Amino acid sequence: SQTIHQWPATLVQPVGSPLSLECTVEGTSNPNLYWYRQAAGRGLQLLFYSVGIGQISSEVPQNLSASRPQDRQFILSSKKLLLSDSGFYLCAWSGLQADRPQHFGDGTRLSIL
Amino acid sequence: SQQGEEDPQALSIQEGENATMNCSYKTSINNLQWYRQNSGRGLVHLILIRSNEREKHSGRLRVTLDTSKKSSSLLITASRAADTASYFCAPSMDSNYQLIWGAGTKLIIKP
Repeated sequence: SQTIHQWPATLVQPVGSPLSLECTVEGTSNPNLYWYRQAAGRGLQLLFYSVGIGQISSEVPQNLSASRPQDRQFILSSKKLLLSDSGFYLCAWSGLQADRPQHFGDGTRLSIL
Repeated sequence: SQQGEEDPQALSIQEGENATMNCSYKTSINNLQWYRQNSGRGLVHLILIRSNEREKHSGRLRVTLDTSKKSSSLLITASRAADTASYFCAPSMDSNYQLIWGAGTKLIIKP
C-alpha cells in the first residue's frame, strides 16, 4: 500500500533562518506531488505541484521554493523565512490520472518567531 | 474566485442525527471531491463524484452533485462522535484538474 511521510511535525524557526521540509512517498511510482499551506481555520492554498523529477510549477509568488530530486521525494525550502511564512504545511500525492484523489501527509506546523 | 465554498461554516448536532453540508463552486468541473480533516492532521479523502454522476454512496456518506446549480452536498447519516472534524469540498477544474479548496465546514458531534 502507498504511504506518505512528512517531517518534522512541528518546527519553530527565527525570522531570517532557512527552511527545509521533506516529503517522501512509498508504494507508488511517478506520482503527482503537491505542497499546500493552510492558515488557521481556512482552506488549502496550493504552493507547488510536480508531475515529474525536476518539474515544478509554482502557483503563487512567494518566499518559498520546491524541488523534486527523486521520483518520490518533494522538498519545500526557503533561504530566509518571513513571519508570514507561519502556517500548516501539507504534502500530498496523487496518481497521474485526472480523477484520482489526493493523499496527504500529517503536515508540519511551522511557527516563525 | 473559483473556490469551492462550504456552507455552513460550522455545524453542531447531537450524536445519532444526520449532518448535511453544502458546497458551491463557480466553474466547469471534471469531478468534485470531499475530504475530512481532524484537528491538526492531514486531510483524508472521503469520496469522489464525477461530473456525469448525480449521487454516490459510501457507507454512511451520501454525496449529490448538481452541475446545473454548481453545487454539491455531503450527508453523514447516524453521526458519531468520531465524525467530529472539518469537511472540505474540492472541485477539480475541467481545464487543469487542480483542486480548488474552500474554508470547510467544522462539524461537532455532541455525545
